[in-house]
Amino acid sequence: DAGVIQSPRHEVTEMGQEVTLRCKPISGHDYLFWYRQTMMRGLELLIYFNNNVPIDDSGMPEDRFSAKMPNASFSTLKIQPSEPRDSAVYFCASRSPTSGGETGELFFGEGSRLTVL
Amino acid sequence: TQLLEQSPQFLSIQEGENLTVYCNSSSVFSSLQWYRQEPGEGPVLLVTVVTGGEVKKLKRLTFQFGDARKDSSLHITAAQPGDTGLYLCAVPNAGKSTFGDGTTLTVKP
Repeated sequence: DAGVIQSPRHEVTEMGQEVTLRCKPISGHDYLFWYRQTMMRGLELLIYFNNNVPIDDSGMPEDRFSAKMPNASFSTLKIQPSEPRDSAVYFCASRSPTSGGETGELFFGEGSRLTVL
Repeated sequence: TQLLEQSPQFLSIQEGENLTVYCNSSSVFSSLQWYRQEPGEGPVLLVTVVTGGEVKKLKRLTFQFGDARKDSSLHITAAQPGDTGLYLCAVPNAGKSTFGDGTTLTVKP
């Protein structure tokens, strides 16, 4: 079975450019999470969706970041304009509604490593 | 203030040694999870503990949830190079999961 699929795996861009990261969750999972991982701040939640609706975006750093989930099988995280401090690994994760509620297992993609020069 | 404090931050040991890493908090949790993350990959769930005092074993890994459900430990017996990775603890927090900063374990052959 396919896991969570993220693209691109690596992205190098210049400051000021728009970056779009993509995620396909596991079929049947109705929770989708976007995390960012850096050495300084660890793994921090940016935003999560339930049934395609954004539930909590309090972790989104600022207005340059936006996320959408137009349907159950696709989500995007966009940064516009990008800055060097946005350099990090961005993970998408999904969770099943039947795997224990709050104790459910998160299934992570392989991440998108973003470098902003 | 971090919700979860993990220690040590880094640990480097020789193959065959035993080790324990910790996840501590001042808050009480309904459950706690441990994930392992290998380089270039996303975290993968190892175990979920839900009962105070609970001990779970996964081959050479032993997980314990504190009696007061505020802390947890992970003990690895006879560590192997394949155990190398970042060990993260996580707790449910209003529908989402909050992670500690992790312990980076290196097991040298």
